Amino acid sequence: DAGVIQSPRHEVTEMGQEVTLRCKPISGHDYLFWYRQTMMRGLELLIYFNNNVPIDDSGMPEDRFSAKMPNASFSTLKIQPSEPRDSAVYFCASRRTGPNTGELFFGEGSRLTVL
Amino acid sequence: AQSVTQLDSQVPVFEEAPVELRCNYSSSVSVYLFWYVQYPNQGLQLLLKYLSGSTLVKGINGFEAEFNKSQTSFHLRKPSVHISDTAEYFCAVGGSGGSNYKLTFGKGTLLTVNP
Repeated sequence: DAGVIQSPRHEVTEMGQEVTLRCKPISGHDYLFWYRQTMMRGLELLIYFNNNVPIDDSGMPEDRFSAKMPNASFSTLKIQPSEPRDSAVYFCASRRTGPNTGELFFGEGSRLTVL
Repeated sequence: AQSVTQLDSQVPVFEEAPVELRCNYSSSVSVYLFWYVQYPNQGLQLLLKYLSGSTLVKGINGFEAEFNKSQTSFHLRKPSVHISDTAEYFCAVGGSGGSNYKLTFGKGTLLTVNP
């Protein structure tokens, strides 16, 4: 089975532009997570979904960030307008419900640079 | 709330030497514990996990970790490292209760194996 697929792998944009990051979770996984990784703050959970429904978005830094999951095989993270401090690597991860699991499967990340 | 502290941000060692990467956690509920590895420009991969049972957990690539509840620690060890073990290592905690489905990560330890 294919792993978690993220696109784009790299994005360079200018301040004020809209950025959309995409994620396809592993088939059959019912949880999807968006994390942000920076040198200063490490890995931060932004939001997670269960069965396409947002469960906890308390990590979303501000209203400029939004995430959607229109179906079980696709999610987006949007930043509008983008700012230089949003530069980071954004990871999508998925997992399935069940006891004795807990493991998250990560995509390769989307490296965002906002100039 | 849960938190993870990785006590060393960088650990340099020579090839074939033993290594221990330290991790302490805090949680008000029973926990699941994980170690992930991140190679350059890649996502995170699971090394090993503790869910229940034996406190000594063996993972991939010859790594093992020991869960110590009284010391709230989950240190990662390998008796003899290889150059290819150079990577960043993340400790993570998930709750066994309602917060089970999200993981909180430490800030990572960069392991550098020198010839």
